[in-house]
Amino acid sequence: DQQVKQNSPSLSVQEGRISILNCDYTNSMFDYFLWYKKYPAEGPTFLISISSIKDKNEDGRFTVFLNKSAKHLSLHIVPSQPGDSAVYFCAAILIIQGAQKLVFGQGTRLTINP
Amino acid sequence: DGGITQSPKYLFRKEGQNVTLSCEQNLNHDAMYWYRQDPGQGLRLIYYSQIVNDFQKGDIAEGYSVSREKKESFPLTVTSAQKNPTAFYLCASSTLTGARGTQYFGPGTRLTVL
Repeated sequence: DQQVKQNSPSLSVQEGRISILNCDYTNSMFDYFLWYKKYPAEGPTFLISISSIKDKNEDGRFTVFLNKSAKHLSLHIVPSQPGDSAVYFCAAILIIQGAQKLVFGQGTRLTINP
Repeated sequence: DGGITQSPKYLFRKEGQNVTLSCEQNLNHDAMYWYRQDPGQGLRLIYYSQIVNDFQKGDIAEGYSVSREKKESFPLTVTSAQKNPTAFYLCASSTLTGARGTQYFGPGTRLTVL
């Protein structure tokens, strides 16, 4: 049962334009969401997060939007740069017996074309 | 520099052999985690530990074992019982348990069973 879904395996965007990566979730117990960026053969690096009490969080070129009623979040990157080419994972935090568990989506490979 | 180290980066093993993957962190984090990544899939949780000498099974613990004798170290043993061990293994740690502590990842170990 995939509780966090990224339905687009890949996305190609022209440099300088906006990249929008989408993520859907099914578990209403999730109350905190994160985006990670991953290059091949490396560990994911934390990018940005959002609490369920907010609908938007911004950090430089990166903005995450959360629509709780639709159980949907998105990551916007503006403007897109070649170094943004990577796999992006959406993740949700579930608290179980006092410990946090991260539930990941399948990832979306973003390619920024010059 | 503070961080998480995993060794080795690449590991080859013959079928039927156990192998241990190392994970060390000097971030003074309480919680540590092991994930597995397969092509086209998100990260799946194998085991996690909130404190020394305590650990819990994640979603895919069968065929794996861990120990947490020191706060800094959380080695993962892939046993011969693991039916499909070839994968990219990621270790992570976080500063808070029971709260929304972001997990920080090591560089990963790619295990190939020959």
